[in-house]
Amino acid sequence: NAGVTQTPKFQVLKTGQSMTLQCAQDMNHNSMYWYRQDPGMGLRLIYYSASEGTTDKGEVPNGYNVSRLNKREFSLRLESAAPSQTSVYFCASSVQAPGTGELFFGEGSRLTVL
Amino acid sequence: GENVEQHPSTLSVQEGDSAVIKCTYSDSASNYFPWYKQELGKRPQLIIDIRSNVGEKKDQRIAVTLNKTAKHFSLHITETQPEDSAVYFCAASFQGAQKLVFGQGTRLTINP
Repeated sequence: NAGVTQTPKFQVLKTGQSMTLQCAQDMNHNSMYWYRQDPGMGLRLIYYSASEGTTDKGEVPNGYNVSRLNKREFSLRLESAAPSQTSVYFCASSVQAPGTGELFFGEGSRLTVL
Repeated sequence: GENVEQHPSTLSVQEGDSAVIKCTYSDSASNYFPWYKQELGKRPQLIIDIRSNVGEKKDQRIAVTLNKTAKHFSLHITETQPEDSAVYFCAASFQGAQKLVFGQGTRLTINP
């Protein structure tokens, strides 16, 4: 089992460009998440999907959109990238409902916006 | 609001000594408190968690204690080893919003 797989691992964008981060899990988990990690800020929730067909905003949703394509896949889109979105992005999944059980993280995607 | 404060931000201990990291949370309805370990360049991984109906939980050299009245919980690592060097994150659930909020992280360094 691969667990949680996210692509790309590294990306450099110019301000205003768009891109999509892809995430897939093969553990048959119901819930999926996107977090960003910045130095000294911990992990902050951008969006989550409690089940296929639903998405909800987290702590820092501005500037992002998500799509829960099916049970396995949850993508994060930056429509017009800004330098403030330079960060490491982690996708995660859980078998339990959000906030109630273990999160399984992907390896992370390092995004730099110039 | 939903807030988790974690202290200290950095901690350095001698190998074999104990390390303690503390977190406070804002919502008295929070009922799930996990701890994650993130080694350099790696993904965060769960090391231990506790639910609000339990005051303490142990797993070999690590333990977590919860004080619901004071709204704080702590991670205790005994007999520290070099492989314990990592960043540790606490988190708390926020019931109404169905989500987990993380603390800012503690960088633990074990000195040989």
